Amino acid sequence: DADVTQTPRNRITKTGKRIMLECSQTKGHDRMYWYRQDPGLGLRLIYYSFDVKDINKGEISDGYSVSRQAQAKFSLSLESAIPNQTALYFCATSDSQGRSSGANVLTFGAGSRLTVL
Amino acid sequence: AQKVTQAQTEISVVEKEDVTLDCVYETRDTTYYLFWYKQPPSGELVFLIRRNSFDEQNEISGRYSWNFQKSTSSFNFTITASQVVDSAVYFCALCTNTGNQFYFGTGTSLTVIP
Repeated sequence: DADVTQTPRNRITKTGKRIMLECSQTKGHDRMYWYRQDPGLGLRLIYYSFDVKDINKGEISDGYSVSRQAQAKFSLSLESAIPNQTALYFCATSDSQGRSSGANVLTFGAGSRLTVL
Repeated sequence: AQKVTQAQTEISVVEKEDVTLDCVYETRDTTYYLFWYKQPPSGELVFLIRRNSFDEQNEISGRYSWNFQKSTSSFNFTITASQVVDSAVYFCALCTNTGNQFYFGTGTSLTVIP
């Protein structure tokens, strides 16, 4: 099984629908992130969470919300999807503990491709 | 403000040529980390290297090498004797100690022609 699992992998929906993208991890990392990838724009941070009680807005949080249900689970919601939210979404995790070789490296899920018609 | 610039949007090389991907970063933090990630056509993001701001030694891993120069705020990535399997989008990223957010460049799409 993958260390960081995203579901669904692909989703086509209509404008105005509520969508939830889920992310779970088995790495035991405390930090989790949601990124959005658009062609030519790289990866942009939507939300991040440094622990279960800590949620922070990223660069492009408008139109999105998140929930950190447990250390291992971090879901992203689009309350009312719109076409310009069509993108590839990535969940990622990192480990804040110490500054060892593994610290601060982002481990990504396989991505969730969302199309809003 | 933190920023990562990858000025090369697309690069094409013929197999076995060497290619360098440029990355320039901006930060006022004195402690930070720089990264390179690879995104092959399959779409996943693969970690290649992490470098901290206090370690300016160049690194070589097989056909890959990285040149970190604080004086020019650059962290360039060279692939020697490129192969078709190197075709991918490559992202440079910066993470600072304050805020601990990651800032990504817009990526360089590398195509290696057989």
